[in-house]
Amino acid sequence: AQSVTQLGSHVSVSEGALVLLRCNYSSSVPPYLFWYVQYPNQGLQLLLKYTSAATLVKGINGFEAEFKKSETSFHLTKPSAHMSDAAEYFCAVNTGNQFYFGTGTSLTVIP
Amino acid sequence: ETGVTQSPTHLIKTRGQQVTLRCSSQSGHNTVSWYQQALGQGPQFIFQYYREEENGRGNFPPRFSGLQFPNYSSELNVNALELDDSALYLCASSLDRPGYQETQYFGPGTRLLVL
Repeated sequence: AQSVTQLGSHVSVSEGALVLLRCNYSSSVPPYLFWYVQYPNQGLQLLLKYTSAATLVKGINGFEAEFKKSETSFHLTKPSAHMSDAAEYFCAVNTGNQFYFGTGTSLTVIP
Repeated sequence: ETGVTQSPTHLIKTRGQQVTLRCSSQSGHNTVSWYQQALGQGPQFIFQYYREEENGRGNFPPRFSGLQFPNYSSELNVNALELDDSALYLCASSLDRPGYQETQYFGPGTRLLVL
């Protein structure tokens, strides 16, 4: 069965600090992995996706994620947090006709 | 190019009632999926439609039903509403046939409250 696990339901970072949001997947090959962001009272916006073309994926707003098959991980990072990054972040795997989402990580950015 | 739109934005119903939620897919997209997102949770897959046919269903009872129209807009119908149906309902569309690489583009959601 496909699933994703997001470690840490809440993450707080200082403005300008590194952002690291963790995602591990359980999937048959091939895994197609996505990160979405959800701002309050809004739908989900695509940040980036991994489709086996390159293990390091760059997304919008300075975010990137690295696919590590040996660790079954797809962690999301951003070198320097901005106040506008405060939101809920979801990792998801696409099984072909549905997405399985993690439970989400709420990111707080401290000024 | 217009994105995915949903209506209404908010809705209040009472237990036992029926509700219809609507979604207009992004231009050119022929696949639509519906998700339920309870407060503090990730979205849960309800079902997907591809070219007006159901193409997969999650673990939801039959009182959750859907339709996709020739213009690729879609409806989610929920009968006999229960308190636990209170959630944000998200519609997502994607381009062309369903596939592992396909990105789903989400609408802003309809927030349903069942009293």
